[in-house]
Amino acid sequence: KAGVTQTPRYLIKTRGQQVTLSCSPISGHRSVSWYQQTPGQGLQFLFEYFSETQRNKGNFPGRFSGRQFSNSRSEMNVSTLELGDSALYLCASSLYGTSGGISYNEQFFGPGTRLTVL
Amino acid sequence: GIQVEQSPPDLILQEGANSTLRCNFSDSVNNLQWFHQNPWGQLINLFYIPSGTKQNGRLSATTVATERYSLLYISSSQTTDSGVYFCAVATGNQFYFGTGTSLTVIP
Repeated sequence: KAGVTQTPRYLIKTRGQQVTLSCSPISGHRSVSWYQQTPGQGLQFLFEYFSETQRNKGNFPGRFSGRQFSNSRSEMNVSTLELGDSALYLCASSLYGTSGGISYNEQFFGPGTRLTVL
Repeated sequence: GIQVEQSPPDLILQEGANSTLRCNFSDSVNNLQWFHQNPWGQLINLFYIPSGTKQNGRLSATTVATERYSLLYISSSQTTDSGVYFCAVATGNQFYFGTGTSLTVIP
């Protein structure tokens, strides 16, 4: 089974531009989460989508948005880029569900998109 | 949100040594994972361990959910074990990550 894929792997943009990142989850996984990783702030949760609905959102400004399509693929968009948006953006997919009354939600990560804002 | 603390923040080991990494969390969780981040940034799943003990080769992990901590044991460390180890906990659908333990194994 193919893993989580993210495109593009590397991206260079200038301040004020916008960017769209894509994530394809593992086949059968309906939950997709996005994270931002920077040296100063560590791994921070952006948002999570399940069946095309945003279920959770982290503490990021409205410039960060996302969506999920019917095939579970997800995109995130950052508008009006700032220097501080330079980061590794990671996508994770999970097969969220319950079994025997116990919930499971193991996340699997893609290789990430490294965004540099100049 | 849930606070996740990992210790130690940095660890340098001689090849062949053993180590224990700790993850403390501030609230009840229903999921916990350990990851290894390689130099290229990829997060590799090590354990999905909301409770109990698991072993995979030289690595093992124990989570005591009632006491809000988890331990990752690395035995007979190798240079390829170098990297950053993250603990992530979840309540519901949202995961919270610790700040990681940076491990360097020297030959």
